[in-house]
Amino acid sequence: GENVEQHPSTLSVQEGDSAVIKCTYSDSASNYFPWYKQELGKGPQLIIDIRSNVGEKKDQRIAVTLNKTAKHFSLHITETQPEDSAVYFCAASTDFNKFYFGSGTKLNVKP
Amino acid sequence: GAVVSQHPSWVICKSGTSVKIECRSLDFQATTMFWYRQFPKQSLMLMATSNEGSKATYEQGVEKDKFLINHASLTLSTLTVTSAHPEDSSFYICSAPGQGAGEQYFGPGTRLTVT
Repeated sequence: GENVEQHPSTLSVQEGDSAVIKCTYSDSASNYFPWYKQELGKGPQLIIDIRSNVGEKKDQRIAVTLNKTAKHFSLHITETQPEDSAVYFCAASTDFNKFYFGSGTKLNVKP
Repeated sequence: GAVVSQHPSWVICKSGTSVKIECRSLDFQATTMFWYRQFPKQSLMLMATSNEGSKATYEQGVEKDKFLINHASLTLSTLTVTSAHPEDSSFYICSAPGQGAGEQYFGPGTRLTVT
């Protein structure tokens, strides 16, 4: 089955700095890679996603890059704000339905 | 956007009892739903795929007799944890796909504590 690894497990940045979270996946058939933000006691919320036919996608302060050859993808958050503090999960899917999640990154943005 | 609800949001039960968790798609139909469990400070682990009108399919290592899944209608899937033990204490989250490829709506989760 699919194995998704995520690094780092925790990340502290100063407000206004950038944050980068990286994930690797094992199944070359995976073709959809969403990123989720989860706040304490709540379900995950989609923040951005990318499909395997695209190398990069950007939405305001958030961007995701995908390297299919190396089987890794990354989340980039620029101009971080305290409200960006949360746990972020990457995921991989071969059918847009069943998701295999990374281990999560706790992002702390210090004001 | 589409909303998925779960009930209850939090439940405490005693060892040996069973507890049912509901997952509802509020404004859309879902022939398939997915159940995940999440231990504290850990990732979401896919447990099973709930299929409307047919048996659920379970991920490897998940006990189907312990985690009973019933997808009785196009808007409701239930997860019953049978003969619960303290190690079943976890955060259970369901999701349902939307109409677009990649659209997946997650419920708010149910925290189960088994004493």
